[in-house]
Amino acid sequence: DTEVTQTPKHLVMGMTNKKSLKCEQHMGHRAMYWYKQKAKKPPELMFVYSYEKLSINESVPSRFSPECPNSSLLNLHLHALQPEDSALYLCASSQPPGRNNNEQFFGPGTRLTVL
Amino acid sequence: KQEVTQIPAALSVPEGENLVLNCSFTDSAIYNLQWFRQDPGKGLTSLLLIQSSQREQTSGRLNASLDKSSGRSTLYIAASQPGDSATYLCAVGPWGMLTFGGGTRLMVKP
Repeated sequence: DTEVTQTPKHLVMGMTNKKSLKCEQHMGHRAMYWYKQKAKKPPELMFVYSYEKLSINESVPSRFSPECPNSSLLNLHLHALQPEDSALYLCASSQPPGRNNNEQFFGPGTRLTVL
Repeated sequence: KQEVTQIPAALSVPEGENLVLNCSFTDSAIYNLQWFRQDPGKGLTSLLLIQSSQREQTSGRLNASLDKSSGRSTLYIAASQPGDSATYLCAVGPWGMLTFGGGTRLMVKP
């Protein structure tokens, strides 16, 4: 099974709302990622978790708060977002560093619209 | 900082043609290179992974090569089909920090 699932598929929120994006994988991967993709642009890395610990934060604003409660789950908590944060948010997973195969597998994404 | 460029940005071909998509990168100290396919509004589907010690990988009608010394990779698609229509992205990096190219939008016409 090479599937990464993400919920919800679509999310519309106001600038004062608090919401969360969820990602799950059952491939036994110990590295998980959040990417942001604007329309007609390539994905941009936001966060990397390795063995459930945050290892990379690409200078993402604090209104985005990641969480990795266990090796299969990854959350992205959203608070006080701006309209320019509207994008497709992609989750991915792979083996952690030191393993031979670091192929990243992506989920279908959550389409976020901030009003 | 790693920069990844994909040429051409868009490509339209009749069904059955063999295609070559190009990817170039500025920093040859890469961990691996991965090719993806993305359909409109969807997530990324991994096509091929080439680790830094490898020169090529093959999967079905797809063949990807890697030349680290020149900072280039090519994705070869044999006997293209309308179902191949999508955006193709290459990504390189050290572990965990993939940098993506801008993609090649491919249209295969019946």
